Amino acid sequence: SQQGEEDPQALSIQEGENATMNCSYKTSINNLQWYRQNSGRGLVHLILIRSNEREKHSGRLRVTLDTSKKSSSLLITASRAADTASYFCATDAVETSGSRLTFGEGTQLTVNP
Amino acid sequence: DAGVIQSPRHEVTEMGQEVTLRCKPISGHDYLFWYRQTMMRGLELLIYFNNNVPIDDSGMPEDRFSAKMPNASFSTLKIQPSEPRDSAVYFCATKSAGNSPLHFGNGTRLTVT
Repeated sequence: SQQGEEDPQALSIQEGENATMNCSYKTSINNLQWYRQNSGRGLVHLILIRSNEREKHSGRLRVTLDTSKKSSSLLITASRAADTASYFCATDAVETSGSRLTFGEGTQLTVNP
Repeated sequence: DAGVIQSPRHEVTEMGQEVTLRCKPISGHDYLFWYRQTMMRGLELLIYFNNNVPIDDSGMPEDRFSAKMPNASFSTLKIQPSEPRDSAVYFCATKSAGNSPLHFGNGTRLTVT
């Protein structure tokens, strides 16, 4: 089954609002990463949170990690039209330790101007 | 650095033809990954290399797919013979080591008619 499942599948908001995306996973992890993909482009790394961290910030991004619930959330504050993209979580599982990532199915975010 | 460079950006071919996708990694990155992205299955890891050596090819769909990394500057993914179900976007991604983030190319969109 898919490691890393995002929720919701699609999210549409107005510019200036906050966007929250969630990710659940199944195995023990070393870290969890979030990536962004603009249409027709490759994925771009946004932020990495280690298994011993609970929260991390980068600019308008805030990521939380709850290893007991095997879940993570990505919050984008004060969204802009340019944030429109697909967002993916990716897990670095302990069993494959640092060698590979498994991606979720993504959340399509649309920010309306 | 120009980032991960993939060619061609688009490939349209007929069923039964051989297709070769190319990737130039970021200099100094020891890991190279080939992913396939489709609407139905999301991002799937096909194969990855460490220091030019294939480590895990368990994601390669069948014998029609093969990948090589003859040196640290170049990798190819070959499909022979191609089938319509191979239509997808194929991404090459590289990283330096361990927990460092992945850097993706912009992908090759393959259409097999």
